[in-house]
Amino acid sequence: NAGVTQTPKFQVLKTGQSMTLQCAQDMNHNSMYWYRQDPGMGLRLIYYSASEGTTDKGEVPNGYNVSRLNKREFSLRLESAAPSQTSVYFCASSLIPYNEQFFGPGTRLTVL
Amino acid sequence: ELKVEQNPLFLSMQEGKNYTIYCNYSTTSDRLYWYRQDPGKSLESLFVLLSNGAVKQEGRLMASLDTKARLSTLHITAAVHDLSATYFCAVDTRYGGATNKLIFGTGTLLAVQP
Repeated sequence: NAGVTQTPKFQVLKTGQSMTLQCAQDMNHNSMYWYRQDPGMGLRLIYYSASEGTTDKGEVPNGYNVSRLNKREFSLRLESAAPSQTSVYFCASSLIPYNEQFFGPGTRLTVL
Repeated sequence: ELKVEQNPLFLSMQEGKNYTIYCNYSTTSDRLYWYRQDPGKSLESLFVLLSNGAVKQEGRLMASLDTKARLSTLHITAAVHDLSATYFCAVDTRYGGATNKLIFGTGTLLAVQP
């Protein structure tokens, strides 16, 4: 039981490049989330998916898109990366109704 | 807009001492979570508080929730170096809804000195 896994662990992009961050969970959770964490700040929600087939915007969705591929997988795409998107990205999942969220190991993204 | 404030933001304490981290939030919510994050690592769930008056304890940490005061506390008893980490509280913004959206506090960096 791996929990929540994320790939890649590290990534360096140039401004304007695109990439997709992958997330998968094997806990049979219904809901999945993408957060970003910046120095001195807590986590901010980018997008979430309450269940397979649905996605909704969080606090900071601009510049990102998501896809809930199936119950296990939830990807985050940066279409045209900007330096302001340099951050650590965490994926999380939760089982309704308990709502405790379990986090992946994170992806450290640097945009030059 | 829901705001979650933690204080202090940084806490340096000696081993063996007691201290409390406070988490205040600005709107009604009956669910609050505490997480721990070690440097360069992910977040680890510590406590889930699901009702007014809830109290949970694990080792030297005890968390409580007062929904009327919109306040949660994380109390550290007889601190040890292994407790050094950043602690986050997070408040559920959609209690009873289809899913939960957590709003996180900015975190409290705890450094326990020998």
